[in-house]
Amino acid sequence: KAGVTQTPRYLIKTRGQQVTLSCSPISGHRSVSWYQQTPGQGLQFLFEYFSETQRNKGNFPGRFSGRQFSNSRSEMNVSTLELGDSALYLCASSFSRTARVTYEQYFGPGTRLTVT
Amino acid sequence: GESVGLHLPTLSVQEGDNSIINCAYSNSASDYFIWYKQESGKGPQFIIDIRSNMDKRQGQRVTVLLNKTVKHLSLQIAATQPGDSAVYFCAENGLDTIQGAQKLVFGQGTRLTINP
Repeated sequence: KAGVTQTPRYLIKTRGQQVTLSCSPISGHRSVSWYQQTPGQGLQFLFEYFSETQRNKGNFPGRFSGRQFSNSRSEMNVSTLELGDSALYLCASSFSRTARVTYEQYFGPGTRLTVT
Repeated sequence: GESVGLHLPTLSVQEGDNSIINCAYSNSASDYFIWYKQESGKGPQFIIDIRSNMDKRQGQRVTVLLNKTVKHLSLQIAATQPGDSAVYFCAENGLDTIQGAQKLVFGQGTRLTINP
């Protein structure tokens, strides 16, 4: 069974630009969560999608958005990039069927975003 | 607010010894906990999980202990090997009563170093 895949693996952008990152979950998984990892803040939850609906959201500005497609693949977008957005963006997928039962999340390798 | 923290940022052990990594959490409503291992350049790798109705769970060479009274979680690794060198994160998942969904809250991580 293939794991979670993320594209691209590395990305360099300049301030003010926008970026779109992609995540393909494990086959059969319908929940996709996004996290930002930085040395200073650690792993921070961005949002979670389940069956094409955003089910939960972390404390990030509206410049961070996402969506999920009918095949469970997900994208996240960051508009008007700032230097502080430089980070490793991780996607995790889960089998989760309902909001009241938690299943383990499996992470992809991440996309390393550098904003200059 | 929610917080998950680790008592020690670094831990050095001799190869073959047992390792114990500790974690404190603050959200008494958390009902699910996970330990992840992250090697350099990779996404977090699921190690073991435990639900709040249990106080101990064992895997291959790993044991997770949960003490709900003092809100403490630990990961024990038996017969530590060089391949165990990594950063270990604990994460808690508490039901978000506002949004009705769940999200993982990660600790800052402990770097485990194995001495030959």
